[in-house]
Amino acid sequence: GQNIDQPTEMTATEGAIVQINCTYQTSGFNGLFWYQQHAGEAPTFLSYNVLDGLEEKGRFSSFLSRSKGYSYLLLKELQMKDSASYLCAVLGRGSTLGRLYFGRGTQLTVWP
Amino acid sequence: EAGVTQFPSHSVIEKGQTVTLRCDPISGHDNLYWYRRVMGKEIKFLLHFVKESKQDESGMPNNRFLAERTGGTYSTLKVQPAELEDSGVYFCASSQDWDSQETQYFGPGTRLLVL
Repeated sequence: GQNIDQPTEMTATEGAIVQINCTYQTSGFNGLFWYQQHAGEAPTFLSYNVLDGLEEKGRFSSFLSRSKGYSYLLLKELQMKDSASYLCAVLGRGSTLGRLYFGRGTQLTVWP
Repeated sequence: EAGVTQFPSHSVIEKGQTVTLRCDPISGHDNLYWYRRVMGKEIKFLLHFVKESKQDESGMPNNRFLAERTGGTYSTLKVQPAELEDSGVYFCASSQDWDSQETQYFGPGTRLLVL
């Protein structure tokens, strides 16, 4: 089975740094994605990690530890437009190749 | 380049009626996926097409759901007859190649409400 857990809500202040954690227990693992979703819009791709370590992309970074079943998304220099839901998703393998398993999402609110 | 598009954006129907959702993937993408998010739950996989073939349809809830992708371009998802529990947001996604690490690009979803 698949179990992907992330906090339901987080709040932060404009200009601050926030870390959104994701833990997973899956029967097959082929990488981990982070998506951003504004209300009523499509989930948009942020990052993909398949090897352990940190991937940096501008203000956003994503970290993966496969041995611990753990990932985080780090958002720096927060802006109001970063208020959105952040989705952690694990990519299946084997018979579930291509399938994404999602957490319920973390609703981030950025205050001025 | 146009993204993944879905039609309609919203649909309100009565229990027992039929609804057909459409997805147009990014041009040239062989892989097309359907997902669904029921209120309060996570986004869940429904099925995966590679071109016109169903690669994996193990996530389809029951035989009231029928997905097609004739010609390997756009796809339709028909629910017949619709039940109350079918309400939710139906997302479509596409990816380019048959590669396990290929990023999936999502459409904005169709919000279905069954009354």
